[in-house]
Amino acid sequence: AQSVTQPDIHITVSEGASLELRCNYSYGATPYLFWYVQSPGQGLQLLLKYFSGDTLVQGIKGFEAEFKRSQSSFNLRKPSVHWSDAAEYFCAVGGDFGNEKLTFGTGTRLTIIP
Amino acid sequence: EAQVTQNPRYLITVTGKKLTVTCSQNMNHEYMSWYRQDPGLGLRQIYYSMNVEVTDKGDVPEGYKVSRKEKRNFPLILESPSPNQTSLYFCASSSWAGNTGELFFGEGSRLTVL
Repeated sequence: AQSVTQPDIHITVSEGASLELRCNYSYGATPYLFWYVQSPGQGLQLLLKYFSGDTLVQGIKGFEAEFKRSQSSFNLRKPSVHWSDAAEYFCAVGGDFGNEKLTFGTGTRLTIIP
Repeated sequence: EAQVTQNPRYLITVTGKKLTVTCSQNMNHEYMSWYRQDPGLGLRQIYYSMNVEVTDKGDVPEGYKVSRKEKRNFPLILESPSPNQTSLYFCASSSWAGNTGELFFGEGSRLTVL
């Protein structure tokens, strides 16, 4: 069965510092991978997704993520965080077409300090 | 404006009193899904629907029912709510199979069962 692990429950970074959120997945074939962001009191919004091709994908709000098959990872990065990036971030994995189950990780809460 | 609308946003009820959480999308999406979000557990899929009259169980379907009589609506029914169904519920829709396309989320419905 597919699964996602986000090892960091809570991360605190200073505004302007770089960010990396970790995500490890388990899936038998080539996965579809996603990062979603949830601002307080809101639903989730897609940041970026990886289906195939270039392993470095760009998303909205200046985020990027890199797919590393050998490490089963899909870490999210941002070179310089802004106070508005404070939110909860979810990694998710889906499979081939026909697999309608998208499995989410438990999330990483990001706090930004001035 | 493209959106997924859930109602009610907040609800407090008592054990055993049937309730329905409505979900409606205006994007003509085929795929719709319900998730529950609990601290430390992330989002878990309850039920999903690939199209009208086509529904299937997710990871945690016990105690819930759904129906998909119209493309735009996907209500979540709790026939006899129990306290362990106290949670934050999200409805989502997508124009393709949920694992390959972007999911659009509603703002959530916070349910408390006493």
